[in-house]
Amino acid sequence: DGGITQSPKYLFRKEGQNVTLSCEQNLNHDAMYWYRQDPGQGLRLIYYSQIVNDFQKGDIAEGYSVSREKKESFPLTVTSAQKNPTAFYLCASSSPGTGGLTDTQYFGPGTRLTVL
Amino acid sequence: SQKIEQNSEALNIQEGKTATLTCNYTNYSPAYLQWYRQDPGRGPVFLLLIRENEKEKRKERLKVTFDTTLKQSLFHITASQPADSATYLCALVRGSNYQLIWGAGTKLIIKP
Repeated sequence: DGGITQSPKYLFRKEGQNVTLSCEQNLNHDAMYWYRQDPGQGLRLIYYSQIVNDFQKGDIAEGYSVSREKKESFPLTVTSAQKNPTAFYLCASSSPGTGGLTDTQYFGPGTRLTVL
Repeated sequence: SQKIEQNSEALNIQEGKTATLTCNYTNYSPAYLQWYRQDPGRGPVFLLLIRENEKEKRKERLKVTFDTTLKQSLFHITASQPADSATYLCALVRGSNYQLIWGAGTKLIIKP
């Protein structure tokens, strides 16, 4: 089955620790995205990547880092510099330019990060 | 700045009735508008896309309208069912790099 997987589903972090959230897709999509979702707010873009070995900052990139070494994988590291990291993190992918639904995004199940 | 607004209050609808959700936007002229469904603790799932030159789009019991003059999209679910209960998000495409701007979503509750 094609889709996006995220792991872990729940993650607990102590203050001052870096943690890495995994995102893998087998949809053969070029573009991948990381969003943060907080109660009462729309999804906010952290980073996105349109092609392997390239990525761009989104609206709230401070305190986060990513890599895109493989087409299938786009891990997100939440660093100790992120002051309020407790949130629901969503990874998505899309395949721009391949038909009418050029920017429909397909989401993973999410990772809920809690800072203790 | 660009802004998307959806009703923050939950919408309670009796089963069998039509549910109508609203998405308003300002300072923006999107080429596309999309609607997604999100269940608690899950990622959003794409439902419908409507282009700026389309007035209406249908898919089974779902209907979306797009009024670029009013800067508004309406999302309708006809013959609503309890299984339709979820949060519905609207999103607008931003620029040529396929980024989306997201509304906060409206929680829909269908009562049996």
